[in-house]
Amino acid sequence: QKEVEQDPGPLSVPEGAIVSLNCTYSNSAFQYFMWYRQYSRKGPELLMYTYSSGNKEDGRFTAQVDKSSKYISLFIRDSQPSDSATYLCAMSLGGYNKLIFGAGTRLAVHP
Amino acid sequence: DARVTQTPRHKVTEMGQEVTMRCQPILGHNTVFWYRQTMMQGLELLAYFRNRAPLDDSGMPKDRFSAEMPDATLATLKIQPSEPRDSAVYFCASGARTGPGDQPQHFGDGTRLSIL
Repeated sequence: QKEVEQDPGPLSVPEGAIVSLNCTYSNSAFQYFMWYRQYSRKGPELLMYTYSSGNKEDGRFTAQVDKSSKYISLFIRDSQPSDSATYLCAMSLGGYNKLIFGAGTRLAVHP
Repeated sequence: DARVTQTPRHKVTEMGQEVTMRCQPILGHNTVFWYRQTMMQGLELLAYFRNRAPLDDSGMPKDRFSAEMPDATLATLKIQPSEPRDSAVYFCASGARTGPGDQPQHFGDGTRLSIL
């Protein structure tokens, strides 16, 4: 069993939809949780970064961490075709330290 | 906008040849990471350095891979001899600790390596 599980998709939604992306993990010691967006032939780009449990909002993006369930989510409101990318969850014992990545979920937002 | 810079962006070479990939971390970042991304395995950490000293290279095949940081502005990853199974995208990332918290890692756009 992998330390971080993420459904690879693909996930296809119409423009304007609310998208929910999720990861589960097994190591309760993880403290830092990140979401990266990766466009084709580009490097992962940091989207959201949270420490411990709770919610964090940035524009159309909301990240949630539920440490009791070992479950993290990323919500995208009013999705746009430009949101079409692979979304990778990542976590670590410290943001300064090595990241453990999920497999990534491919998202396609169609007009 | 500060970025991690990787060179070359693409490399095609024959099996047995030496490959060197370079990374310029974001100025002021003192931790540098090397990752490899494949369809089958996803993103895997190969090695990382803090203040130019190697901290963890357990993800790296020691017999053919080596990673160094000759100075604070340059990190290198070498493969010698290269094999077809090394074909992948290699990413460099850098991060920093600032005050009581840590800064998350920022990635370069990778070196796409093909070994024939």
